[in-house]
Parts: sequence; C-alpha cells; structure tokens
Amino acid sequence: NAGVMQNPRHLVRRRGQEARLRCSPMKGHSHVYWYRQLPEEGLKFMVYLQKENIIDESGMPKERFSAEFPKEGPSILRIQQVVRGDSAAYFCASSPGGSGGYTFGSGTRLTVV
Amino acid sequence: DQQVKQNSPSLSVQEGRISILNCDYTNSMFDYFLWYKKYPAEGPTFLISISSIKDKNEDGRFTVFLNKSAKHLSLHIVPSQPGDSAVYFCAASPDNAGNNRKLIWGLGTSLAVNP
Repeated sequence: NAGVMQNPRHLVRRRGQEARLRCSPMKGHSHVYWYRQLPEEGLKFMVYLQKENIIDESGMPKERFSAEFPKEGPSILRIQQVVRGDSAAYFCASSPGGSGGYTFGSGTRLTVV
Repeated sequence: DQQVKQNSPSLSVQEGRISILNCDYTNSMFDYFLWYKKYPAEGPTFLISISSIKDKNEDGRFTVFLNKSAKHLSLHIVPSQPGDSAVYFCAASPDNAGNNRKLIWGLGTSLAVNP
C-alpha cells in the first residue's frame, strides 16, 4: 500500500532547462494537488487535477508552468526554461475526493543553478 | 497577504507537558481547518481537522479548538513527546462542499520537545 510517490527526490537544473516532476497518487486516489514551498515560506497551492482534467490552476504562474494528470500514468508538473526563483520544494498530494485531509508525497527539491 | 497566520515561528516545551500551537485566520469564508506535521525532508502528514460547525475535535493526544468569533484555532498536544518535535502547519479551506480541497497554509511553527 504505497503512499504518494514523487520522483525525483532531488533535481538540479541549469537556468533555461526544463524540469519535469512526477507524482503517482495513492492507489484509488483520483485527485491530485501540487504545492510549492519556497525557502522561508509556507506551502502555496499551485494546481488541482483529476484524471485528464485541470480543475483549478489558480496558483500556477502564468508562464512556463504546466501540469497534467493523464488517464494512465503519473501526474506531471512541468517547468520550462527554469530560473533561479523556481528553486523550491514541490509537494504533491492525493485524495480519493470528498472531505478530509489528503496524503502528501515526500516532495521534489528543485535547485536551479 | 497572509490569510492564515502562525505568529510563533518556534516553540520549546518539556517532555510530558502540554504544547499549544496557535493559528489565526482572516477569511471568514474558511470553514474547514487542518493541522499537519512535517519532518525535515518529508512531506506534511495530516494530523487532525475540524469543521466550522464544531468547536473541538479530539484524537488521542491531539485536540484542536476552534473559536470562530475570534477566527482562532489552536492545537493542543498532551502529553508532549520528543517524537512530536517537528514543524506544525495550520491550513484552512474555503470550500467545505466540494472536492476542491485547495488549502491555504500558515508558515508553520517549529516545535521542539525536550527530554
């Protein structure tokens, strides 16, 4: 009964490269959330997805960031042309839907050099 | 504009004593509140939640109190144990009816429980 799996755990990218962060939700969970934690800050909501649908992307930066949750496979958070300010911990959480707290993965720590 | 505020960045208590972590919010539309615990290099772990229709929820050593008029909630841990040492986040949700559990987070309080 694996939890929410995120990979890679650590990702180093040079400025201008692309970063792809993967999230496999818990078995039976069809709701995925992405959060970002910048240094010295709390978690900030980015996007909420259900299978093949983006439900709420109000927290996503307008440019360079995109997310998907295909019918098969993990959810992907994609950051194009990364900049130093993208360096952060990116957390994915999943839920079966409805009320209650959801389960987080261990995060991906992105460092842009 | 921090809608969920945890004004104490850190707290230190003695093992066996009570830990009280506080959280204030500004948005009266929030109707569901959660506490998460986070260890370094790990994701947050759900601890306990409370709906705005209640003023108290208890789960073992953890109790959350909600004072809606003051827009304040607190997490009590009794008795505190060294393994409770972690960062505690307060989070709030403006949507209690749907599936969009978009949470608004405080900055966290780092709790240290000393043996």
